[in-house]
Parts: sequence; C-alpha cells; structure tokens
Amino acid sequence: SYEVTQPPSVSVSPGQTASITCSGDKLGDTFVCWYQQKPGQSPVLVMYQNNNRPSGIPDRFSGSNSGNTATLTISGTQTMDEADYYCQAWDTKIFGGGTKLTVL
Amino acid sequence: EVQLVESGGGLVHPGGSLRLSCAASGFTFSSSWMGWVRQAPGQGLQWVANIKRDGTEKYYVGSVRGRFTISRDNTKNLVYLQMDSLRAGDTAVYYCARENGSSGYDYWGQGTLVTVSS
Repeated sequence: SYEVTQPPSVSVSPGQTASITCSGDKLGDTFVCWYQQKPGQSPVLVMYQNNNRPSGIPDRFSGSNSGNTATLTISGTQTMDEADYYCQAWDTKIFGGGTKLTVL
Repeated sequence: EVQLVESGGGLVHPGGSLRLSCAASGFTFSSSWMGWVRQAPGQGLQWVANIKRDGTEKYYVGSVRGRFTISRDNTKNLVYLQMDSLRAGDTAVYYCARENGSSGYDYWGQGTLVTVSS
C-alpha cells in the first residue's frame, strides 16, 4: 500500500526557517495538503493543492511539491507555530505520520 | 459559520457496534463530499472514509472496509459512520471533516472518542 513519510521531529529557533518534508513515490503527481494540530485541538488546514494558503493562514507558510517530496516551509517561525504537522496525499487521502515542530 | 459536530462515541466491547453522527451547518451540505478521519491516542491522523455529495460513491481505508459504513442524509445535514465488528485497534478520536473539492479538509469537527475495550 502507498506510504507517505515525514520526519518525526524538526526543531527551529524563533525567527528562523523551518522546513518539514513529506516523501512518497511520485508524490509530485498528486496534490498535497498540510494540517497543523496543536495539543487537544482538531487539525487545521494550512496548505492545500501543494502551495495555496487558506484564508487566515499567515503568509510565512508556503509549500512545494515535486518529484517524490513535498515541503512545508515556515519562514520567520514563531512560538505559536509549535505543533504537529501532517501532510496528506490527496489522491489516496493517506496522511504522513506527522512531524512535531519544536520552536526553541 | 461552518460547524461540524460529532456525536455517538463511547465505550464498546470488542465485536460490538457504534454509530457516529456528524451534524453540519453553515454551508450547503449537499454540495460537499464529507469524510471521517481518526486519531488513535498519541498517534497520527488516519483517513477512514469519505462519501460523495449525493451518497452514490463511498470509499474506505482497507482496515475498515467491510466493517464500517459511511452514509449521509442531505435532508437533515447529517453524515454517519456505522462501525461494526469493532476491534481494540479502532480506539481513537473520530473527526468529521468537509472536503473542499481537491483543496483538502477545510473544516473539522471537535471529534468524538471511541474506546473499544472489554
């Protein structure tokens, strides 16, 4: 079955750039979405169709998807961005295992 | 304002059944695919099932196919997840979510906890 892989954790200093990757065979052939989930809360869509931000998502969030890898980039990371992030390959609906972003 | 409110979770014995409901409001329900996503305690998200606008197409993750049934009532703005032959591995918070075309799950409910245990 199809699998999508994310690093379990990423650490970044406040104000720096965080990059979270999502890998899967020919992932670039489908749309990828990204969700942010903070403890005790429901997921929030932060990126859709690879590189589109929903209304209300800050422009420090950006995305890309090519080949076998999709990337969510957070520029000027803030402490409020600390959360779990999940990618989703839209054609199969499969989620990656999630990445815990720590801002310290 | 879009709202999705799940209900029906609880404690059930292995082999038992449970029906989850999701009440939708604030958008044209009959125009949206709907989905269920679950999250086991301390684990990641897992897509479970989705259903087409008119209910004529339904898709499931392999681990629940044949045991779970998704359905909807467009007259009541409700989507359901009938869960039969439940196993301990089905223990999770179950989220209802709206599919916005190919633009992801843009609205999520608060989730309802299903615990399968003897």
